[in-house]
Amino acid sequence: KAGVTQTPRYLIKTRGQQVTLSCSPISGHRSVSWYQQTPGQGLQFLFEYFSETQRNKGNFPGRFSGRQFSNSRSEMNVSTLELGDSALYLCASSLEVAASTDTQYFGPGTRLTVL
Amino acid sequence: AQSVTQLGSHVSVSEGALVLLRCNYSSSVPPYLFWYVQYPNQGLQLLLKYTSAATLVKGINGFEAEFKKSETSFHLTKPSAHMSDAAEYFCAVSVGTGGFKTIFGAGTRLFVKA
Repeated sequence: KAGVTQTPRYLIKTRGQQVTLSCSPISGHRSVSWYQQTPGQGLQFLFEYFSETQRNKGNFPGRFSGRQFSNSRSEMNVSTLELGDSALYLCASSLEVAASTDTQYFGPGTRLTVL
Repeated sequence: AQSVTQLGSHVSVSEGALVLLRCNYSSSVPPYLFWYVQYPNQGLQLLLKYTSAATLVKGINGFEAEFKKSETSFHLTKPSAHMSDAAEYFCAVSVGTGGFKTIFGAGTRLFVKA
């Protein structure tokens, strides 16, 4: 089975722009989570989707949004980019059998640089 | 609220020596605990997880961790370090009954000296 794929792998944007990142989960996985990783804040939970519904959300401003499609693929969008949004954005998928105890499989991430 | 604290942002060991990475958690409910490893320019890979079954959990690559409720700890160990173990390690707790909300520790970077 193919792993979690994220596109693009690298992205450079300027302040004020918006960006959309894409995540394709492992085939059959229905839960997709997004995380932001920065040297200063570490790994922070953004949101989690299951069956096109956002079930959990982290403490991020409304500029960060996401969605999940019927095929479980997910996108996250960041509007009005700020320098502090520069980070590695990781997507993870799981089967969603037992929720919190399921193994999450992570993609390689999208490295976003905001200039 | 659940939280995870990893003691030591950097740990250095010699090849063949014991690896001990420390993790303490705070949780108001029985926790589900995880250790992940991240190699440079890659995503995270699950090493092992505790889901309230056996308190000693064995994972991949010779790693294991012991859940100690009295000490609220979930330390990661490996008897003999290998150069390929050099990476960043994250302890995490999963919370909530309606889906995922995984809280990660700050991470510990492991250096292995030849």
